[in-house]
Amino acid sequence: GAVVSQHPSWVICKSGTSVKIECRSLDFQATTMFWYRQFPKQSLMLMATSNEGSKATYEQGVEKDKFLINHASLTLSTLTVTSAHPEDSSFYICSARDSGSGNQPQHFGDGTRLSIL
Amino acid sequence: AQSVTQPDIHITVSEGASLELRCNYSYGATPYLFWYVQSPGQGLQLLLKYLSGDTLVQGIKGFEAEFKRSQSSFNLRKPSVHWSDAAEYFCAVDHTGGFKTIFGAGTRLFVKA
Repeated sequence: GAVVSQHPSWVICKSGTSVKIECRSLDFQATTMFWYRQFPKQSLMLMATSNEGSKATYEQGVEKDKFLINHASLTLSTLTVTSAHPEDSSFYICSARDSGSGNQPQHFGDGTRLSIL
Repeated sequence: AQSVTQPDIHITVSEGASLELRCNYSYGATPYLFWYVQSPGQGLQLLLKYLSGDTLVQGIKGFEAEFKRSQSSFNLRKPSVHWSDAAEYFCAVDHTGGFKTIFGAGTRLFVKA
């Protein structure tokens, strides 16, 4: 079945560092990918919708300059957390829709745990 | 605006007992509804979905859910719970216009021996 690969699965870095997270659809094309943030024991909060070849659509309250999204191909979207600080520590999950499957569910990556020291 | 409510923050059931997780949604049209399961530190796995047709849908791992339009509900059920079912369960509804998915707050399932 469809697989979404998210890398890295775990990152620990110093405050002020920029961190890039990749989300790849392995066996399907995805014109749209989604980035979520999940705090401990909470639900997923949609951060932005990543659109291939165009600018991402950010949800209200999400800083677009802080969370840079690039969707340069039909199988890859990246989220860069710029100048990360401890409050950016969280679990980040991406998902992708198969462009050719109509309104089918999203396929989720396994998430990236980001810890900023 | 669309919303999804999972009234139970956590539920504890005995192994072998039946399970029902509640989900209510608010949506203007007929929604697309989903249940996902998440183990600690993992991504989400789709258990089942309702897109149209038969209101009782079967999923993986022995789960089923029933869409009840009159109650705006999509409750998840399993006749006999296994210890491996302990996890976080999320109900979700698709905003078909924008292809966004709205998630409920989740219900954590604990299974006792």
